[in-house]
Amino acid sequence: ETGVTQTPRHLVMGMTNKKSLKCEQHLGHNAMYWYKQSAKKPLELMFVYNFKEQTENNSVPSRFSPECPNSSHLFLHLHTLQPEDSALYLCASSQRVVPEETQYFGPGTRLLVL
Amino acid sequence: RKEVEQDPGPFNVPEGATVAFNCTYSNSASQSFFWYRQDCRKEPKLLMSVYSSGNEDGRFTAQLNRASQYISLLIRDSKLSDSATYLCVVMSDGAGGTSYGKLTFGQGTILTVHP
Repeated sequence: ETGVTQTPRHLVMGMTNKKSLKCEQHLGHNAMYWYKQSAKKPLELMFVYNFKEQTENNSVPSRFSPECPNSSHLFLHLHTLQPEDSALYLCASSQRVVPEETQYFGPGTRLLVL
Repeated sequence: RKEVEQDPGPFNVPEGATVAFNCTYSNSASQSFFWYRQDCRKEPKLLMSVYSSGNEDGRFTAQLNRASQYISLLIRDSKLSDSATYLCVVMSDGAGGTSYGKLTFGQGTILTVHP
């Protein structure tokens, strides 16, 4: 399935680096999400965008900066990360930002911060 | 108390077995409920939604008990391909009364089906 794509699939970065994660959805959806999945922890919602507007910031540190230039693209800009930020970062999209709406996930970017 | 709690397992069952997973949630105002499946090193995928009346999809049966704030997933006649992590997911309103439905994921229950 190629409904939601993410690049890169793997990323290793130092604590002083700046990098960006990219997500693209080809489903015509209006809502996009960033999630963080750490080992042995539940999936955590980070950000929600609805029609390019950020509607939720789940107390995420400022070293994570999202950008949504249009309904199909979502970026997560990373700078001065910490080793504990190493995790799988998943992007998802849905038609609308309402209950009962299914979210479709991308394959994720596996990030390692050294 | 965690918002969504699951027994992490792992559950190791032989092919053909019936296995049941349980999940409890803390927010009584939660509106929608789902089971997702996540294969090793892959993204979560929707398995089925969960309705108050219970619903069945082939070998999979999901049930919801709102009074007890309890969700279950039953898998009958387990296959090797059922081996995965099963995530209980609860949707509630977002912060500040926004229309956003906030998805909260449980930690997941690991299932391994062996020959």
